[in-house]
Amino acid sequence: DAMVIQNPRYQVTQFGKPVTLSCSQTLNHNVMYWYQQKSSQAPKLLFHYYDKDFNNEADTPDNFQSRRPNTSFCFLDIRSPGLGDAAMYLCATSHPGEQFFGPGTRLTVL
Amino acid sequence: QKEVEQNSGPLSVPEGAIASLNCTYSDRGSQSFFWYRQYSGKSPELIMSIYSNGDKEDGRFTAQLNKASQYVSLLIRDSQPSDSATYLCAADTGGFKTIFGAGTRLFVKA
Repeated sequence: DAMVIQNPRYQVTQFGKPVTLSCSQTLNHNVMYWYQQKSSQAPKLLFHYYDKDFNNEADTPDNFQSRRPNTSFCFLDIRSPGLGDAAMYLCATSHPGEQFFGPGTRLTVL
Repeated sequence: QKEVEQNSGPLSVPEGAIASLNCTYSDRGSQSFFWYRQYSGKSPELIMSIYSNGDKEDGRFTAQLNKASQYVSLLIRDSQPSDSATYLCAADTGGFKTIFGAGTRLFVKA
């Protein structure tokens, strides 16, 4: 089945220790997104790619970086995680239009 | 700032009743609107999309759009306990981006 896959599903890191989250898709969609979602809040867009074109939201902290080496894969790097970065990180794809989400990665920062 | 507003709830309805969820959006340029269901600890799942004024029905779900009033709603008929979740309203704001509301929590009592 065509899908969006995120790894790992749960990530525990220490304060300041870099972490990389990955996303892959078999939908062959042009657009890929990274969202951060905290409890009872709306998903907050961090970045999106249209093919290789990278778009960074103005309020995305410099601590967050992203890479998209090919159509299928996208990575989120958090260079120095702080306690405030603990959240669910959601990867989504679109054709564009409707967005389809992966299962998310729950990040815990100790 | 472009926004999607939803009543956070919780909205509680008895099993078999109609649940009515509403949202308003600020960007008059938005043309596409989406409803996502999100179970606790899970990622959002697309349940309806609507692009034209009026109603769109899919099984027990009906989405309604009124662009003049900048208002979108979702009706769930014959509500089931399995419908208990947070429902996110989202609006396409152009540039391949979508703005999400913070969601309305729905409880369906058996």
